[in-house]
Amino acid sequence: AQRVTQPEKLLSVFKGAPVELKCNYSYSGSPELFWYVQYSRQRLQLLLRHISRESIKGFTADLNKGETSFHLKKPFAQEEDSAMYYCALHGSSNTGKLIFGQGTTLQVKP
Amino acid sequence: GAVVSQHPSWVICKSGTSVKIECRSLDFQATTMFWYRQFPKQSLMLMATSNEGSKATYEQGVEKDKFLINHASLTLSTLTVTSAHPEDSSFYICSAISGQETQYFGPGTRLLVL
Repeated sequence: AQRVTQPEKLLSVFKGAPVELKCNYSYSGSPELFWYVQYSRQRLQLLLRHISRESIKGFTADLNKGETSFHLKKPFAQEEDSAMYYCALHGSSNTGKLIFGQGTTLQVKP
Repeated sequence: GAVVSQHPSWVICKSGTSVKIECRSLDFQATTMFWYRQFPKQSLMLMATSNEGSKATYEQGVEKDKFLINHASLTLSTLTVTSAHPEDSSFYICSAISGQETQYFGPGTRLLVL
């Protein structure tokens, strides 16, 4: 079964501290993984995807197939990073469907 | 980047009435649109996948007669909540893709059924 798990509902850190939002997935094939972010009162938007291997707003995520993880990291959190973060999986079907994790609220305190 | 709009952004209706929500891709042709439901502080729950010119594919547990989806053109999909009840109150979000590209999300529609 295809599944995405984000074990932390809330992650609270101080400004300048490192951040790691955990994401584990369950999928038998070669997945495509994404991180989406939803700022307060804004729409969901793509933060990054594993195939592009880029860093957006200082965030990076590496796909670890051995651990079936795609954790999101940032070395120094900023207050404007406070938002809801969703990890999502796109399987090999041609439907384009995404399977979302439960989401993690990141709270960066001053 | 690609823009997806939804209309209305919020709606209040009486129990038993029907409500139509529109989802439009403004600057690209969307071969597929998706409809999600989001409860407060919870994840997005996929309701259905809508392909232009064909019937929508509903996820398990989603009543297709309750949530009517029409995808009449490559830029417009509509979700109609029929005979709405208070338990249908939620935040409804659509997204659109062109081919196998990234999903772009609409701003959502908040529905309150009294």
